[in-house]
Amino acid sequence: QLQLQESGPGLVQPSETLSLTCTVSGGSISRSTFFWGWIRQPPGKGLEWIGSISYSESTYYNPSLRSRVTISVEKSKNQFSLRLTSVTAADTAVYYCVRHVFLSGLDFNSWGQGTLVTVSS
Amino acid sequence: QSALTQPASVSGSPGQSITISCTGTRSDIGAYNYVSWLQQHPDQAPKVIIFDVSHRPSGVSDRFSGSKSGNTASLTISGLQAEDEADYYCTSYTGSSTVVFGGGTKLTVL
Repeated sequence: QLQLQESGPGLVQPSETLSLTCTVSGGSISRSTFFWGWIRQPPGKGLEWIGSISYSESTYYNPSLRSRVTISVEKSKNQFSLRLTSVTAADTAVYYCVRHVFLSGLDFNSWGQGTLVTVSS
Repeated sequence: QSALTQPASVSGSPGQSITISCTGTRSDIGAYNYVSWLQQHPDQAPKVIIFDVSHRPSGVSDRFSGSKSGNTASLTISGLQAEDEADYYCTSYTGSSTVVFGGGTKLTVL
């Protein structure tokens, strides 16, 4: 059974860079036709797609975050990562990593449990 | 890209049917049959209940169904049960190779 687990600092200083990693177990990132993405949810608010990466490392980003976001894959570790630069309090959210179908359909079929990242000094 | 439009809340009594609408544009819902619906219970990760407009993942009750007409997608829950009380989000692929979400609908089972 596929499992995804987010990891990273729970507290980030304003203007700094938020970095999270998603470790995938029970399946291989590199032998998959699925996409691997990040979705966030500010406390008490709705979901926001941040971006996604394919097994061939093609990336797709939310236009509103594109200038600050980088998603990458570490195939040897079966992990993918999120970097979000110049964070502010508005970036405080639960961050989920997901596996999904993309471009040929839309199906967010596997989710991590989510990790809360607070931006505060 | 603009968020999809959902009602903030809907309610229904056990056994009834309810429908949640999700309105987009010709660039997202109207252009592709790539609409998903997610269910989220408090303090849990979302779970997909409908993908590609009307397909149900294995293990999801057939009381959940999805449809689309023009720029609007709909989620119908029949035979409402207490466990259906949750937040529901629609999401769609867009012509810009991106994903857009609705603002979410809180379902209350009376």
